[in-house]
Amino acid sequence: DSGVTQTPKHLITATGQRVTLRCSPRSGDLSVYWYQQSLDQGLQFLIHYYNGEERAKGNILERFSAQQFPDLHSELNLSSLELGDSALYFCASSTGLADYEQYFGPGTRLTVT
Amino acid sequence: AQKVTQAQTEISVVEKEDVTLDCVYETRDTTYYLFWYKQPPSGELVFLIRRNSFDEQNEISGRYSWNFQKSTSSFNFTITASQVVDSAVYFCALSETRIQGAQKLVFGQGTRLTINP
Repeated sequence: DSGVTQTPKHLITATGQRVTLRCSPRSGDLSVYWYQQSLDQGLQFLIHYYNGEERAKGNILERFSAQQFPDLHSELNLSSLELGDSALYFCASSTGLADYEQYFGPGTRLTVT
Repeated sequence: AQKVTQAQTEISVVEKEDVTLDCVYETRDTTYYLFWYKQPPSGELVFLIRRNSFDEQNEISGRYSWNFQKSTSSFNFTITASQVVDSAVYFCALSETRIQGAQKLVFGQGTRLTINP
């Protein structure tokens, strides 16, 4: 158990809908990262937050957004969902801003039908 | 651009055999970190090791060992006396150190390792 929690574990929704994925980092970790794992794209970095501030963006679609709250938990919002958004979404956390190992949560499996 | 290549898509061995997973990376940075993660059938990503670009010493942890060679941009992972529980997908990843402090991991495509009894 990495100490990173993600909810829900599974999510099934229809195209066009909006969902919110939630992540709680390990106790004391200030950085939160979101990654998407799909069969065709592999593991891709989406976004990095540190202590409430966005620090880096990767291949994140405009339909997706994220935030990190004062209690350091983070949410990833996915809107206007398409079939291709079906994937495993991971949250990871690390102690500081950079140069630290990232510990991953169990993931949220999103299925868009 | 950074890139991580794991040329072995799948490897299958018999229990107790030694197996090496290859990882080759590309980066223009002089300071960077390399990682290995394990993804068992249950799906979570388990951190195995982090190595910085200035430390080329090999590392051993039980049956696991890592060989970092900067000259060939490789960071290979060897499992000695493999066990069925080692069956998983293994990912090599690269992180660059950014002045502004942001960090992201660039992952290879993964190697699916199957250990047969």
